[in-house]
Amino acid sequence: ELKVEQNPLFLSMQEGKNYTIYCNYSTTSDRLYWYRQDPGKSLESLFVLLSNGAVKQEGRLMASLDTKARLSTLHITAAVHDLSATYFCAVDMNSNYQLIWGAGTKLIIKP
Amino acid sequence: DVKVTQSSRYLVKRTGEKVFLECVQDMDHENMFWYRQDPGLGLRLIYFSYDVKMKEKGDIPEGYSVSREKKERFSLILESASTNQTSMYLCATALWTQETQYFGPGTRLLVL
Repeated sequence: ELKVEQNPLFLSMQEGKNYTIYCNYSTTSDRLYWYRQDPGKSLESLFVLLSNGAVKQEGRLMASLDTKARLSTLHITAAVHDLSATYFCAVDMNSNYQLIWGAGTKLIIKP
Repeated sequence: DVKVTQSSRYLVKRTGEKVFLECVQDMDHENMFWYRQDPGLGLRLIYFSYDVKMKEKGDIPEGYSVSREKKERFSLILESASTNQTSMYLCATALWTQETQYFGPGTRLLVL
C-alpha cells in the first residue's frame, strides 16, 4: 500500500527554538513536495525536492530528501509565530498521475 | 501568478440535494484536480482531469462525478449529497501531472 506518514501530527513550540518535521513514504519516489496551509486558507507550495540529497531553503525553513531512506525532513530554525500553519508533504509515487499526501503537521509557535 | 478560483467559500445543503462545485483557472494548465480534506486524513483525490472531457477516478470517487467542458473549468458534482460528504473541497491545477499543484481557496461544504 502506498503510504506517506508525517510526524509529529501536532507540534507546539516556543519562538526561537529549532525543530524538524519528518515525512516517511513507503515506496520509491524521486519527487517530493512540501506545502503550507494557514488556518481557513488553501495550500501554498513551499518546496519541490527532485533528487536524492536535494536540499532547499527559504528563510527559516529547510527541506531535504533522502530517497534511499524514503525520508524527507522539514527543519525549522529559530521559529517565529508567523510560521504557525499546517505543513503537508506529498509524494509522487512514479506510477501514475497522483500525489500521495501525508496527514499534515499542525505547527503552533507560541511567542 | 496562477489564479485558481472556486465558486463558493461556504455552502450549506440538505441531504439528497444535487450540489455543483466549480473551479476556474487562468493559467492554461492541462491538469485539474478535485480533493477533499478532512482532519487527520490529509488530502484525498476524488477525480482529476488531464484534458477537456477527459477524467480519471482518484481514491474516493464514489458519490461524485466531474465535468470538464472547457480547459479552464472543472466542476465537481455531488449527485445526491449525504452527510458524510461534509468536508473541505479543494481544487488544484498543474501544468503537468507530476508538477507543483496550485490550489484554489477551498469550499467548505456542510450537508445537513
